[in-house]
Amino acid sequence: SQQGEEDPQALSIQEGENATMNCSYKTSINNLQWYRQNSGRGLVHLILIRSNEREKHSGRLRVTLDTSKKSSSLLITASRAADTASYFCATGLSMKTSYDKVIFGPGTSLSVIP
Amino acid sequence: EPEVTQTPSHQVTQMGQEVILRCVPISNHLYFYWYRQILGQKVEFLVSFYNNEISEKSEIFDDQFSVERPDGSNFTLKIRSTKLEDSAMYFCAIPTGVDWGEQFFGPGTRLTVL
Repeated sequence: SQQGEEDPQALSIQEGENATMNCSYKTSINNLQWYRQNSGRGLVHLILIRSNEREKHSGRLRVTLDTSKKSSSLLITASRAADTASYFCATGLSMKTSYDKVIFGPGTSLSVIP
Repeated sequence: EPEVTQTPSHQVTQMGQEVILRCVPISNHLYFYWYRQILGQKVEFLVSFYNNEISEKSEIFDDQFSVERPDGSNFTLKIRSTKLEDSAMYFCAIPTGVDWGEQFFGPGTRLTVL
């Protein structure tokens, strides 16, 4: 069974609008991370939120985490065409160490139309 | 920010051939991971490697796969007898961030098995 699942699978918005992507997971986590991937390229780490945190900001990014609902959201404000990419949530599961693999969800494909 | 290079960027091989994918972190790391991403699918964990030993592996990482640190700096992923379904992007990653919970991904190697 999948640990993380994002919705929507695809999102298309106009430049300047906000984009919200959601991620749900099944098991207890140590942290949740969001990554971005431009088409055919590598993965870029965006932000990490720990299980004892509820909200985190980085530039135009805002991430929330609700451990009771086992869900997270990524908000990109004032979107730009350059934000067009796939966005993945990934969970770090280990309670013993931060040195742990992450489990990826299937991703949300975001298209920002100029 | 750490840097990770991967070689080759693209490898084309015939089914049944052996391939070796290389990962070179710029700074000296003891811990690293391999992931793969089949085209259009999510990123999947393959194996983690710590201090010259496999720390954890997924069910994907069967006997056809092996990892090594042959010369103290490069990390290699070897696929002994490639199959068509091995065609994917292969990423290595190293832990980074405040408490090493983030994963810094290399640019990936695109493996095409014909």
